[in-house]
Amino acid sequence: QVQLVQSGAEVKKPGSSVMVSCKASGGTFSSDAISWVRQVPGEGLEWLGGFNPTIGTSHSAQKFQGRVKITADKDTSTVYMELSSLRYEDTAVYYCARGREGYTLFDYWGQGTLVTVSA
Amino acid sequence: QSGLTQPPSVSGAPGQRVVISCTGTSSDIGSGYDVHWYRQLPGTAPTLLIYANKNRPSGVPDRFSASKSGTSASLAISGLQAEDEAVYYCQSYDSSLTAYVVFGGGTQLTVL
Repeated sequence: QVQLVQSGAEVKKPGSSVMVSCKASGGTFSSDAISWVRQVPGEGLEWLGGFNPTIGTSHSAQKFQGRVKITADKDTSTVYMELSSLRYEDTAVYYCARGREGYTLFDYWGQGTLVTVSA
Repeated sequence: QSGLTQPPSVSGAPGQRVVISCTGTSSDIGSGYDVHWYRQLPGTAPTLLIYANKNRPSGVPDRFSASKSGTSASLAISGLQAEDEAVYYCQSYDSSLTAYVVFGGGTQLTVL
């Protein structure tokens, strides 16, 4: 059974950065692509980017390019998402999710991490 | 992000059938990419409901069915039950590469 366990809630100031972790277990970390999806309160789901271990690189949505950095530590089976230059509108729940087919078909999700941007 | 288009809300009485539409473009659904559906209960992460246009993961009852045609897809829920009340999202792949993954805006299902 695949499990994705995320780090805890964060409160950050505008202009700062936040890093959220996602520790995977029960799957095949060397081949499971992990994506980051966020949900602004009361709104829908939005894909930020992901890490594909089969090609050893990350990709991000055009909207977040230059602000999001996704890395992975294979020794601890953990994927990290760092979002910089935080704005109030980045306040959201951030989920990691495993893509059964690369960056799509998300069959397992983390519990979510609330990131609050507040002065 | 443009995203797939879903109706904001649908409703139905217990036992009835409802259909949720999901409209895309030639860059996503219309390019032949699969559509997947997720259900989200309040305060929880989404869960996979339908994958590859019409397939149900184990544990999902056959009251849930889905199809895809052209640039659109639809999710049908028959024999509505109170516990079906949730937000439903469709998702596909975006070949325009503004984002590799595209979601619908979500549809709130209310069981009357």
